[in-house]
Amino acid sequence: NAGVMQNPRHLVRRRGQEARLRCSPMKGHSHVYWYRQLPEEGLKFMVYLQKENIIDESGMPKERFSAEFPKEGPSILRIQQVVRGDSAAYFCASSPDGRLTGELFFGEGSRLTVL
Amino acid sequence: DAKTTQPNSMESNEEEPVHLPCNHSTISGTDYIHWYRQLPSQGPEYVIHGLTSNVNNRMASLAIAEDRKSSTLILHRATLRDAAVYYCILRAGGTSYGKLTFGQGTILTVHP
Repeated sequence: NAGVMQNPRHLVRRRGQEARLRCSPMKGHSHVYWYRQLPEEGLKFMVYLQKENIIDESGMPKERFSAEFPKEGPSILRIQQVVRGDSAAYFCASSPDGRLTGELFFGEGSRLTVL
Repeated sequence: DAKTTQPNSMESNEEEPVHLPCNHSTISGTDYIHWYRQLPSQGPEYVIHGLTSNVNNRMASLAIAEDRKSSTLILHRATLRDAAVYYCILRAGGTSYGKLTFGQGTILTVHP
């Protein structure tokens, strides 16, 4: 039973380019959450999505960042015009429903480096 | 969100028990206590959670003080694989999604 799959695991972009990070939740999970971990810091919640809906994007930067979770396919976190401060590990987590049953299942993360 | 306080780091020897403390003096009556850990270069991993009563699972035990102002994660026999950052997190009972607030956590070092 595959866990939460994230790709790419590592991504290098130059300033001004776009970064797209993908997350496939665990089988049967329809709720996805994105977190960001800056170097030497704790994880910070960014956005919570259900299929085709954004439920809570209170942790998303106001500009350049967007997220989607289409009816078919993975969830995508998109960062436009990346800057060096976007360099971080981005983690996706999933749960079977909106109520926490006890645990979130996290992927291994996508590490973005902006040159 | 109510705040948790954890020691920055702790050390243990392999095969010995480890008690990781967490203070949460402003916890409310409906806040759940969650523990996650993060191994180097990996995503967080669920360890255990509880509300009022002590909890046991295959990974660890969670001891919750009677007044709920503190809790302790107990690893009964530490292994080298338990070396990780351990996060104690409060989740409001009314929330319906995975909006967890991670602090700095406790870095656990396990010596062979």
